[in-house]
Amino acid sequence: GAVVSQHPSWVICKSGTSVKIECRSLDFQATTMFWYRQFPKQSLMLMATSNEGSKATYEQGVEKDKFLINHASLTLSTLTVTSAHPEDSSFYICSARVYTEAFFGQGTRLTVV
Amino acid sequence: SQELEQSPQSLIVQEGKNLTINCTSSKTLYGLYWYKQKYGEGLIFLMMLQKGGEEKSHEKITAKLDEKKQQSSLHITASQPSHAGIYLCGAGSYGGSQGNLIFGKGTKLSVKP
Repeated sequence: GAVVSQHPSWVICKSGTSVKIECRSLDFQATTMFWYRQFPKQSLMLMATSNEGSKATYEQGVEKDKFLINHASLTLSTLTVTSAHPEDSSFYICSARVYTEAFFGQGTRLTVV
Repeated sequence: SQELEQSPQSLIVQEGKNLTINCTSSKTLYGLYWYKQKYGEGLIFLMMLQKGGEEKSHEKITAKLDEKKQQSSLHITASQPSHAGIYLCGAGSYGGSQGNLIFGKGTKLSVKP
């Protein structure tokens, strides 16, 4: 199946700094990618839809200025958590659709201290 | 909006026992996905069902979609410790093949050796 690679798999950062998470489609082109967030013992919640060459579409309640999404090419979408705070600590995971299937990256565990 | 309800929330079984996890949708499903996740890690695609009455099997895991396409079940036969993890059902949010998925809250499976 298609491969979605996410990097880094985990990151620890200081409060107030920014962190960039990369999501790459390795063997296919993805005009659309999705970013999810997962809190402990909860399901995945969609944060935003990343569209290649245009602005991302954010879900209600997600701060677009805090979670910057860039989809500059057909194989790369990035999520930047700006001015991170401890409450941003979470598991972030990206996904891309290939026809009817959905493939997920390995996820990124962000810890803000 | 569509919601997916999974049951049970958690399950502890003895190795070798069979088990079933259910996923019920508030609306007709146009594509139902089953994933396995170990918390803090990426999602492993198990199966996707589209047609009413469809049934798919892979190794000891069988998934079914009911005729009305509002309920799916995941059945594991002769469970093993390697089956332990969180099982998530997901559905296309727009009924098509290109949108994001929405997820149930997951079922945590523990298998006692």
